[in-house]
Amino acid sequence: EKVMTQSPDTLSVSPGERVTLSCRASQSVGTNLAWYQQKPGQAPRLLIYAASVRATGIPDRFSGSGSGTEFTLTISGLQSEDFALYHCHQYNSWPPRENPFGQGTKLEIK
Amino acid sequence: EVKLVESGGGLVQPGGSLRLSCAASGFAFKTFEMNWIRQVPGKGLEWISYISATGETIHYADSVRGRFTIARDNAKNSLSLEMNSLRADDTAFYYCARFDYGGRRLGFWGHGTLVIVSS
Repeated sequence: EKVMTQSPDTLSVSPGERVTLSCRASQSVGTNLAWYQQKPGQAPRLLIYAASVRATGIPDRFSGSGSGTEFTLTISGLQSEDFALYHCHQYNSWPPRENPFGQGTKLEIK
Repeated sequence: EVKLVESGGGLVQPGGSLRLSCAASGFAFKTFEMNWIRQVPGKGLEWISYISATGETIHYADSVRGRFTIARDNAKNSLSLEMNSLRADDTAFYYCARFDYGGRRLGFWGHGTLVIVSS
């Protein structure tokens, strides 16, 4: 089954920097991969779908890439509002037999 | 404005029951597939249940199958999750979320309701 693993668990970076978050699938999920941002006390928000398509209203400093088993979310020019928890989600396998979400990467201010 | 508003969370004893509701507004609820996802505070997300737009197709995660029941009332624009035989590891925030048209990404989420299972 498709198990999703994100790395690292926590990333400490400074505002203005560029950062790359990783998500790995145990088996190919094609490009059926989404990224969500979750700020403290808020619901997750869809950022990227189909591995690289920005959702409506998402700034172009967010970009996604990858296919198969390796995916990345890159944030260029980090802003204060970007420090949050990021989740990847595979929707290639339906219904999922394993949790389709990664464990999350927390992006914190250095 | 699209809204999903969960309610019904609270403190319940192990073995007890709780019914969560999700009120939808601002969109054609009856045309969207819906899900329940939960999150232990500070941890990752766990998908737990799905229901098709008509309610004919339902899926559950193994962790809740046989204990939880998802349902919808398209006339009332509402989604529900009946939770029985609750355990301490069911403690989490519970979110309702809809799939986007044409792809099973979760395009919109409610703000969640907290369920605490404890004696």
